[in-house]
Amino acid sequence: DQQVKQNSPSLSVQEGRISILNCDYTNSMFDYFLWYKKYPAEGPTFLISISSIKDKNEDGRFTVFLNKSAKHLSLHIVPSQPGDSAVYFCAATRVNTGNQFYFGTGTSLTVIP
Amino acid sequence: DVKVTQSSRYLVKRTGEKVFLECVQDMDHENMFWYRQDPGLGLRLIYFSYDVKMKEKGDIPEGYSVSREKKERFSLILESASTNQTSMYLCASSSGGSSYNEQFFGPGTRLTVL
Repeated sequence: DQQVKQNSPSLSVQEGRISILNCDYTNSMFDYFLWYKKYPAEGPTFLISISSIKDKNEDGRFTVFLNKSAKHLSLHIVPSQPGDSAVYFCAATRVNTGNQFYFGTGTSLTVIP
Repeated sequence: DVKVTQSSRYLVKRTGEKVFLECVQDMDHENMFWYRQDPGLGLRLIYFSYDVKMKEKGDIPEGYSVSREKKERFSLILESASTNQTSMYLCASSSGGSSYNEQFFGPGTRLTVL
């Protein structure tokens, strides 16, 4: 049973515009969320995270928003750049799970120059 | 810089063969993980390990086994490869002590079973 879902398999955005990637989860015990980015033929790399005690975390062009009541998080990329074209995975975890992450299905982002 | 390496980038095997996928990390991490990535299914956890000689089943352990004889090395074993095990296999590691530590991934092994 998929506890973390990304309902948009793909997204295309013009360079310079905002990219919004969405993620939903079902387990209300999750208290920490991460976004990973994956280029073809490479392993995923960590991008940004957020604790459930916050509703926003920002790092440069990347901002993650968390809506606990809706069990929803989103990643905003502003402005989008062609180098951002990749597959983005959201992941969730909770305390005392021994660092076990639950990953979403991924969204393939294409930024059009 | 954390480095996670996987023994092969591409592997082609025949149905019924025994397959070994090796993963090595150089940061003295306690935790190591094996995932497979399939289109539309994302990353699914096969097995993980918190320490040498320890292993825990993930979400999809059937058809796989693992071995961790040394801290830096975590092997995934397909006892008798089948075509439905054709996939991208990703190894990851992380330091212990917290559920929230970042996992560092290797480049992946693309396995094709014919």
